[in-house]
Amino acid sequence: GAGVSQSPRYKVAKRGQDVALRCDPISGHVSLFWYQQALGQGPEFLTYFQNEAQLDKSGLPSDRFFAERPEGSVSTLKIQRTQQEDSAVYLCASSLGWTESSYEQYFGPGTRLTVT
Amino acid sequence: AQSVTQLDSQVPVFEEAPVELRCNYSSSVSVYLFWYVQYPNQGLQLLLKYLSGSTLVKGINGFEAEFNKSQTSFHLRKPSVHISDTAEYFCAVSVGGATNKLIFGTGTLLAVQP
Repeated sequence: GAGVSQSPRYKVAKRGQDVALRCDPISGHVSLFWYQQALGQGPEFLTYFQNEAQLDKSGLPSDRFFAERPEGSVSTLKIQRTQQEDSAVYLCASSLGWTESSYEQYFGPGTRLTVT
Repeated sequence: AQSVTQLDSQVPVFEEAPVELRCNYSSSVSVYLFWYVQYPNQGLQLLLKYLSGSTLVKGINGFEAEFNKSQTSFHLRKPSVHISDTAEYFCAVSVGGATNKLIFGTGTLLAVQP
């Protein structure tokens, strides 16, 4: 079946612009995660949704970052007034649920954001 | 808080040789452990996971890992590597629960040479 998809795959933004990154999780997956991966680093957690509820946003680096999942399926990560330090790959992952048997997270290909 | 350490940023190895990628973690509570592989310009793919039970875990592509609670380690091994195994490998931990977020190490580049 289809995996996690993300769009756009590449985004170049001028400093100060707003951007929106989209994630389509695997159909039926309840849990959805956003991670930020800086060059040469491991992914870092940004935020987590269980259906449409955003249960954890402890990793969002500033109030310029906002995420939503209004119908419990597609999610959008929005970055306002982008800064150069926002340049990174943004990864979306989904999992079937939150019990031990459904812990595996499936990752999308990521969106590479470059802020100039 | 949990943390993951991958001491080797790069591991060069010849084709058909064995390899071990090291991972150590720190946590005051029980954890779940994962190894992911990332090929260039792609997302992460799960290689294997330890949730409970047997401490020796077998994954895809001939990889295996052993959970050692006393050493707080989860090293990844493969007895004979192929050129196609060249990729970045990430170790990750999770404490489960309501969020189940993954905490990743900085990654190890496995560079297989002919």
